Order: sequence, then structure tokens, then C-alpha cells
Amino acid sequence: DGGITQSPKYLFRKEGQNVTLSCEQNLNHDAMYWYRQDPGQGLRLIYYSQIVNDFQKGDIAEGYSVSREKKESFPLTVTSAQKNPTAFYLCASSLTAGAGANVLTFGAGSRLTVL
Amino acid sequence: ILNVEQSPQSLHVQEGDSTNFTCSFPSSNFYALHWYRWETAKSPEALFVMTLNGDEKKKGRISATLNTKEGYSYLYIKGSQPEDSATYLCAFNFGNEKLTFGTGTRLTIIP
Repeated sequence: DGGITQSPKYLFRKEGQNVTLSCEQNLNHDAMYWYRQDPGQGLRLIYYSQIVNDFQKGDIAEGYSVSREKKESFPLTVTSAQKNPTAFYLCASSLTAGAGANVLTFGAGSRLTVL
Repeated sequence: ILNVEQSPQSLHVQEGDSTNFTCSFPSSNFYALHWYRWETAKSPEALFVMTLNGDEKKKGRISATLNTKEGYSYLYIKGSQPEDSATYLCAFNFGNEKLTFGTGTRLTIIP
């Protein structure tokens, strides 16, 4: 079955450490997105990529980095520069770029806790 | 920053009853409005994408309407069932690559 796989599901990190969250899709979608969820807030866009080897900052990109070397993969690195990294992270994809009218397909999410 | 408001924040509905909730968004520069259902421990799942004023969409017992001139969308669930328990998210787009999400309405169906 086609879909998006995020790993790990749960991750614990010590302060000062970088950590990378994996996102893989087998839907042949061009665009991929990373969102962050915090209690009482809507999903907020961290980074998005419309095509391989290209990505753009979303609304809260500071302290995060991404790469898009393959169409299927869009890993997110949470760096030590991210002041409040404890959150739930969702990866999504859409068939083509331009989220306007393109349905998003989501992964199941990764919960990161900084100790 | 554009705001998308959803109300109520949560509600409890008796099984078999019908219910509805609201998504409010900026009425200027509208391009698309999305609805997603997010069940606990699962991935958010798309319900509808609406682009035209007056749009009405239906999927089984769930339907949605859109008023772009006044900036709101209603989601209706007819004859609620336990499997309808979820958080319902709406998201607004004004023509770029980004979706702005509301905080969601958490629906609990009481058997």
C-alpha cells in the first residue's frame, strides 16, 4: 500500500544534540512538507520541498534543516539551535507542488522529547 | 499571519445525533479550504478540498459547505457513530504553497 512512513515514532534527545527524523513516501508525490504540532496550536509549517534538490522555509524554520536528495525522502534535522524542540512532528506529501487545492497525505508522526 | 478559527474546541455528542462545527478564515484572497479528520494514533486523513463559493461536498454521513464571501465553512455529521470520534482540522490557502491550519475541533461520540 502506498503511503508515508515516519520514523522513529518516539525519540528522546538530550539538550545540545542534533536529531534527524525520517520521512519516506512511495506515492510518487512531488511535494513534501514538515509540520510541527504543539498543544493548543494548529499545525505549523517548518519546511517544504516542491521538487528534488529544492526546499523552502516555512513559518517556523529556525533551528531546523532539511534535505531532498531523493524524491521519496525528506528528512528533518532538529538542531541544538531549536529552542523548544519537544513537539509532535508530522510529514506530509502532495501530488504536485502548490498546496492550494492539492490534498495532503500525512504520515503517522514522530514525537520528540528533549530531556 | 492569517488566522483560521475553529469552533467549538471540543464537543460531546450522543450516538445517533447529528452535529456540526465551524471553520472561520480570512475572506480576502481565498483559494482553497481543506478539511481533515485525525483519529487518535493515526495519520490525519483528507475529507474535502473546497475551492468555490457555495461548494457543498459529501462523503457518506459527512458533508461540508463553503462561504468564501463571509469566510466560513461548516462540517456536518449526520447520525454520529463512535468511529466519528476524532479531531477535525480545517486549513486555509490563499494561493501559495502553504496551508494555515486551525487548532481543530475534538469530537467525542458517546455510545
